Parts: sequence; structure tokens; C-alpha cells
Amino acid sequence: GDSVTQMEGPVTLSEEAFLTINCTYTATGYPSLFWYVQYPGEGLQLLLKATKADDKGSNKGFEATYRKETTSFHLEKGSVQVSDSAVYFCALKVDTGRRALTFGSGTRLQVQP
Amino acid sequence: EPEVTQTPSHQVTQMGQEVILRCVPISNHLYFYWYRQILGQKVEFLVSFYNNEISEKSEIFDDQFSVERPDGSNFTLKIRSTKLEDSAMYFCASSGTGVSTDTQYFGPGTRLTVL
Repeated sequence: GDSVTQMEGPVTLSEEAFLTINCTYTATGYPSLFWYVQYPGEGLQLLLKATKADDKGSNKGFEATYRKETTSFHLEKGSVQVSDSAVYFCALKVDTGRRALTFGSGTRLQVQP
Repeated sequence: EPEVTQTPSHQVTQMGQEVILRCVPISNHLYFYWYRQILGQKVEFLVSFYNNEISEKSEIFDDQFSVERPDGSNFTLKIRSTKLEDSAMYFCASSGTGVSTDTQYFGPGTRLTVL
């Protein structure tokens, strides 16, 4: 079945460090890929998405490129801030008419000043 | 900016009791969803709802669960006889139509604790 695998956290970085959170997927067809972020006490917010191979999603300095050949959608940011501390979820939605999102387990990011 | 809201934020109940979790989706959205996250585990899809009927459900969504849109604004998840393993964070989501159907907007969640 469809699945998403994320690197385990927590990831602890100093402010202004480079961030990579790995995400790989297994899916039938050609899924759309998403990164959601959950700040403490809040719901899941869409961070960025990509709907086809080689698309790059970007938002708030975060980027991820849909790599079909490696079935990956790694999240990157060049310089993290304390305010980026949150849990990040990679997710996919297959293109078979289904609407359900399949999530990874989430990666907690802690950014220290 | 429009947002999905959920009530209550935390619900504590005794095993075997019925609970109703409430959600107000974004007003012009037509697709509604429930997900859950058991502590330390993945966010899991439960059910999607469109045009006043269930359009998709997972194997988790058994006869214990039901959903309803009782009026033009609320969307509810009912668990008839709660079990200990129903303890989880329950998220409601909604999405629009056309090119925006891919993007699901989530509420802050209801933490359900079954004792």
C-alpha cells in the first residue's frame, strides 16, 4: 500500500543552520506530495506541495523537490529560525480518485538560539 | 483568513460512553475529513464526506464511528461506545473544489482521552 517514511526526530539545530528533513514514499500511480507543519498547540498547516515530478514547492524559505527517480520529497531550509520549531509531516495523495492523505510519522524540529 | 475550528479541545470520557466531536469547516468548502493521531504514531485517515454522504473510509472507520453534517456549518464525528484504544488526537479537515481540492485545511484537533 501507499506509505511515507520520514527521518526520525527530534532534529536539533542552532539558529541559522541548514535544515534537511528526509521523506521518501511508496505509492501507486503519481501522487501529489505535501509538507505540513504543526506548531505547538495548533493544527496541521500546509507548508508546501508539489503535484508532479521535478516540481519544486516553496514557502517561507522552505523548499522541497518532487524526485520521482528516488521517490523522495526532502524538505530543506537554508537558515532556520527559533520560530521554525515545530513538527513537520510529509504526506501524499494518490491520483486514483481517492482523497485521503497518507502521512509520515512526523519529525520534530527544535531550533536553539 | 478562514480556518477550521474544532470543539472541544479536550474531551475526557469513560470507556463505553458515546462522544461527539465537532468541527466547523471553512464555509465554502465541500469536502470534509476526519483523521486521528494516536500518541506517538502517524496521522491516520478515517473518513471523507461529500454531498452529505461518506465518499471514502479507512478500515479504522468501523460501525463504532459515524459522521454527520447536521446543519450548514457543523461536521461531527460520533464514536458510539468508546474504547481505551480510541484515545487519540482527532483532526477535522476540509477542502474546496477544482484546483484547490488537493489542499486540505486542518483544525487544531480534539484530544480524546478514554478512561
